[in-house]
Amino acid sequence: DQQVKQNSPSLSVQEGRISILNCDYTNSMFDYFLWYKKYPAEGPTFLISISSIKDKNEDGRFTVFLNKSAKHLSLHIVPSQPGDSAVYFCAARTNNAGNMLTFGGGTRLMVKP
Amino acid sequence: NAGVMQNPRHLVRRRGQEARLRCSPMKGHSHVYWYRQLPEEGLKFMVYLQKENIIDESGMPKERFSAEFPKEGPSILRIQQVVRGDSAAYFCASSPPGRQWQETQYFGPGTRLLVL
Repeated sequence: DQQVKQNSPSLSVQEGRISILNCDYTNSMFDYFLWYKKYPAEGPTFLISISSIKDKNEDGRFTVFLNKSAKHLSLHIVPSQPGDSAVYFCAARTNNAGNMLTFGGGTRLMVKP
Repeated sequence: NAGVMQNPRHLVRRRGQEARLRCSPMKGHSHVYWYRQLPEEGLKFMVYLQKENIIDESGMPKERFSAEFPKEGPSILRIQQVVRGDSAAYFCASSPPGRQWQETQYFGPGTRLLVL
């Protein structure tokens, strides 16, 4: 049972344009969401997070939107840069499940110069 | 401030051997998590530890796998009698003390285990 899904395995975007990565979840108990970026042969790097009491959080070029009624979140990167090319994972957590993160399968973003 | 350290970065074992993976959390962090990533998949939670305590091992296989986080030294993930299906990347994450559901987990570079 995959509780966090990233339905697009890959996304290609032109440099300077907006990248939109999507994530859907099924567990209504999730109340904290995170996005991580991962380069090959490295560990995931934390990007941005959002609590379920908010619907938007912004940090520089990165903005995360949360739609609780649709159980959907998205990560916007604008403007996209070639260095953003990586695999992006969304993750979710409840505050009463041992603090473990439940990850989606990842979306590979390619930003073309 | 050094990040989460993991060693070895690559480990090759033959079927039936033991694998020991080490994780040193970030300075000041007292919570350690282990995750496994199979090829082309997302990370899957295995175990959550604090010093000398296993808090949640719901994601750990019941047999052959064990984890510890002693008072002194790194956290160890131990896999006995490895099989080919254990081949994966194993990531350790740490977080500071506090209300964990609000804390970010910071990941190490991973150990890539290959079982021949």
